[in-house]
Amino acid sequence: EAQVTQNPRYLITVTGKKLTVTCSQNMNHEYMSWYRQDPGLGLRQIYYSMNVEVTDKGDVPEGYKVSRKEKRNFPLILESPSPNQTSLYFCASSPYFRGSTRDEKLFFGSGTQLSVL
Amino acid sequence: GESVGLHLPTLSVQEGDNSIINCAYSNSASDYFIWYKQESGKGPQFIIDIRSNMDKRQGQRVTVLLNKTVKHLSLQIAATQPGDSAVYFCAENIAGNTPLVFGKGTRLSVIA
Repeated sequence: EAQVTQNPRYLITVTGKKLTVTCSQNMNHEYMSWYRQDPGLGLRQIYYSMNVEVTDKGDVPEGYKVSRKEKRNFPLILESPSPNQTSLYFCASSPYFRGSTRDEKLFFGSGTQLSVL
Repeated sequence: GESVGLHLPTLSVQEGDNSIINCAYSNSASDYFIWYKQESGKGPQFIIDIRSNMDKRQGQRVTVLLNKTVKHLSLQIAATQPGDSAVYFCAENIAGNTPLVFGKGTRLSVIA
C-alpha cells in the first residue's frame, strides 16, 4: 500500500531533550516536506526536500533540522525542544516532476502529536 | 487531531444534500489550487486540484470552481454522506516557485 509512515504517533518529552520524528514513503517520491498544524494557524511548512541531499527552509524552520540521505526517508530533528514546539506534525511527499508545482498532490502521513513539557 | 478543529467555521448539512465549501485565496498570482480533507486523527487527504487556466473541474461527487476575478474557490460535494464529515482545507501556490499556503479550514458536519 502506497503510504507515508511517521513514527511515533504520540510523543511526550521534556524541554531540551533531543528527539527525532521519522518519516518514510514507499512511493519513490522526489519531494518530501514537514508541516506543523496548530489551532487557528493551519498547516505551516517547516522544511522541504526536492531530492536526496537537497533540503530547504519553509516558513517556520527555527528549532528544527532535517536530513535527506535516502530518497524514502526524511527525519525531523528537534535538537533542543521547547514548549512552543508542542504541535501536531505531518510529513508529506509528492511525485514532483518538471512543469508541476512542487506541492502538487501531496500525500500526508497520519501525524505525530508532540508535547514538550 | 481534534484540537486543530477548534474555532473553525462550521457547515452543517443534511445527509443527501449538496455541500458547498468556500475559500477566499490571497495571492492573485497563484495558479494552482488544491482541496484537502482531514478527518479526525488523520492526515490531510488530497481531494481535487485545479489550475488557473480552468474555472471548473469535476471528480467523483466533487466539483471545484475557481473564480479568479474575485479570488474565490469553492468545493461542491454532491449527495453528502456521513463519511464526508471532516475539516476541509483549500491551498494555493504559484507553480514551481512557492510552497502551498493552506487556508484555516472549514468543518463540515453531516446530519444523518
